[in-house]
Amino acid sequence: SQTIHQWPATLVQPVGSPLSLECTVEGTSNPNLYWYRQAAGRGLQLLFYSVGIGQISSEVPQNLSASRPQDRQFILSSKKLLLSDSGFYLCAWGQGHGYTFGSGTRLTVV
Amino acid sequence: QKEVEQNSGPLSVPEGAIASLNCTYSDRGSQSFFWYRQYSGKSPELIMSIYSNGDKEDGRFTAQLNKASQYVSLLIRDSQPSDSATYLCALTTTGNQFYFGTGTSLTVIP
Repeated sequence: SQTIHQWPATLVQPVGSPLSLECTVEGTSNPNLYWYRQAAGRGLQLLFYSVGIGQISSEVPQNLSASRPQDRQFILSSKKLLLSDSGFYLCAWGQGHGYTFGSGTRLTVV
Repeated sequence: QKEVEQNSGPLSVPEGAIASLNCTYSDRGSQSFFWYRQYSGKSPELIMSIYSNGDKEDGRFTAQLNKASQYVSLLIRDSQPSDSATYLCALTTTGNQFYFGTGTSLTVIP
């Protein structure tokens, strides 16, 4: 069966510091991968999606970036975090029959 | 107009009652519809999918789809306090884009 791993679970980072969140999927090949952010009390905002290695599409202009160095690995990064980057970050994979989410990373920028 | 609209609630029902959650959408060609449950501080979990008009039952959950009226609903029978969560409606549009609603908060009162 397919599983998705996301870490770390929680992160507190100072403004201006870098960020790296990692997501890996097991049990499937060439999955479509997604990064979402959910601000407190808000809906899901699609940040990036990838349909293959090295293929990244950005939905929202921001100081975040994403990379897909391997088929089942998706990384979300930032060189300098802003206060507004705080939120719940969710990695997901999907093949058209609904998305499966990772457990999420709660990021607090202080 | 948003692709997916949900009443944010909160919706409160007594334990044992039927909870009714509704969702409308704008793309008449949307094909696939999903309901996710999200507990506070956790990631969304897929609980139901429906692809054709009518009802689909799974235990205490029934998803209803009416493409002519462009709405999809989720009924939860014999509501339990453990059903208290935010319920997200999602769909796939004709352009194969995946959209989430902002969610309806449900509280089941013991």
